[in-house]
Amino acid sequence: DIQMTQSPSSLSASVGDRVTITCRTSQGVKKNLNWYQEKPGMVPKLLIFGGSLLQAGVPSRFSGTGSTTDYTLTINGLQREDFATYYCQQSYSAPFTFGPGTNVDVK
Amino acid sequence: QVHLNQWGAGMLKPSGTLLLTCSISRGSFSDSSWSWIRQAPDRGLEWIAEITHSGVTDYTASLRSRVSLSVDMSRNQFSLELSAVTAADTGIYYCARHWKTETTSRRFDSWGQGTPVTVSS
Repeated sequence: DIQMTQSPSSLSASVGDRVTITCRTSQGVKKNLNWYQEKPGMVPKLLIFGGSLLQAGVPSRFSGTGSTTDYTLTINGLQREDFATYYCQQSYSAPFTFGPGTNVDVK
Repeated sequence: QVHLNQWGAGMLKPSGTLLLTCSISRGSFSDSSWSWIRQAPDRGLEWIAEITHSGVTDYTASLRSRVSLSVDMSRNQFSLELSAVTAADTGIYYCARHWKTETTSRRFDSWGQGTPVTVSS
């Protein structure tokens, strides 16, 4: 199984900040790496797929980079509605594991 | 955009069997692979199982002995069955489309609304 780690596990930020979340996989996933946003009581929402491709309808302040085992989600200019938990997930091979999540809250 | 609507019993007793169904609209079962994902209270997301458009299934190892997926092509629905449930199976269960195209990789791009499941005596 491919193990996923994320860092940090939580962070505090202010509106307007640039936020960076890192995801590492235990083996290369060839950019089959996706990012999701989850808010309390809501369904997880796909933000980024294929490592760097923006899902339709997602604001351009979200971006993804990375390859092999190391990937990054960046939010440029954090907005109030971005306070949430973010998960990376690999679709390279089953089981299609998720990272443990990064909680972004208000500083 | 495909829409997924899911349903099933939300309260179960230990040793019971969980049955959830996910109905696909504005799309076809034959177009993609379809997964079940769950989230225990205050925990992260856990992929449980998947069924492909050709009916091939795959399960997470920890649940393989207890989980089964099936499809009803005529109704454009697929189902999850989890037997011998315990309190550890409590959580929110989601169905999701595991979509890819010829030029892009797979991702869970459409999700059901979630079904809260509680296992308690």
